[in-house]
Amino acid sequence: QKEVEQDPGPLSVPEGAIVSLNCTYSNSAFQYFMWYRQYSRKGPELLMYTYSSGNKEDGRFTAQVDKSSKYISLFIRDSQPSDSATYLCAIGYGNKLVFGAGTILRVKS
Amino acid sequence: ETGVTQSPTHLIKTRGQQVTLRCSSQSGHNTVSWYQQALGQGPQFIFQYYREEENGRGNFPPRFSGLQFPNYSSELNVNALELDDSALYLCASSPREDRGLATEAFFGQGTRLTVV
Repeated sequence: QKEVEQDPGPLSVPEGAIVSLNCTYSNSAFQYFMWYRQYSRKGPELLMYTYSSGNKEDGRFTAQVDKSSKYISLFIRDSQPSDSATYLCAIGYGNKLVFGAGTILRVKS
Repeated sequence: ETGVTQSPTHLIKTRGQQVTLRCSSQSGHNTVSWYQQALGQGPQFIFQYYREEENGRGNFPPRFSGLQFPNYSSELNVNALELDDSALYLCASSPREDRGLATEAFFGQGTRLTVV
């Protein structure tokens, strides 16, 4: 079993839709939770960072962490074609990040 | 712009050769980590350097080695290249003084290595 599981998609939505991206993890010792966006042939770009259960909002993005269920989510409101990318969840444990495989998101105009 | 730059952007090497990849972190970032990202996969942790000393390593063989310099630059060296080493190699730096804990990390654009 992988430490971090993420549905690879692709997830295809119309412009303006609310997008929900999710990851589950197995190790309750995981401490920090991040979401990255990666465009094709580019490095990952940090979108959200949190270390506690609950919600954190930044513009159109909301990160949600449920430590009791070992479940994290990223919500994107009013999705745009420019949001089309691969979204990676990453969980910090000690001195390393453990990544999910990434979900490919396609937003159609 | 993360302020983390990597060179070169693309590289083609022959099996058995050695390669050095370079990274320049943001000023003040004492922690640098290297990751390998195979096609269609998430990045995998290779190792981390904190204040010029190795501070943890993932499941990679000793032919993967690194260095960190006082000027916030670092290197990843890979000896005896294998075909499976073909991947995007990512450098990430962190601004926190938490002895290298995996808090938010800012990535460079990566070096795409192809081994033929």
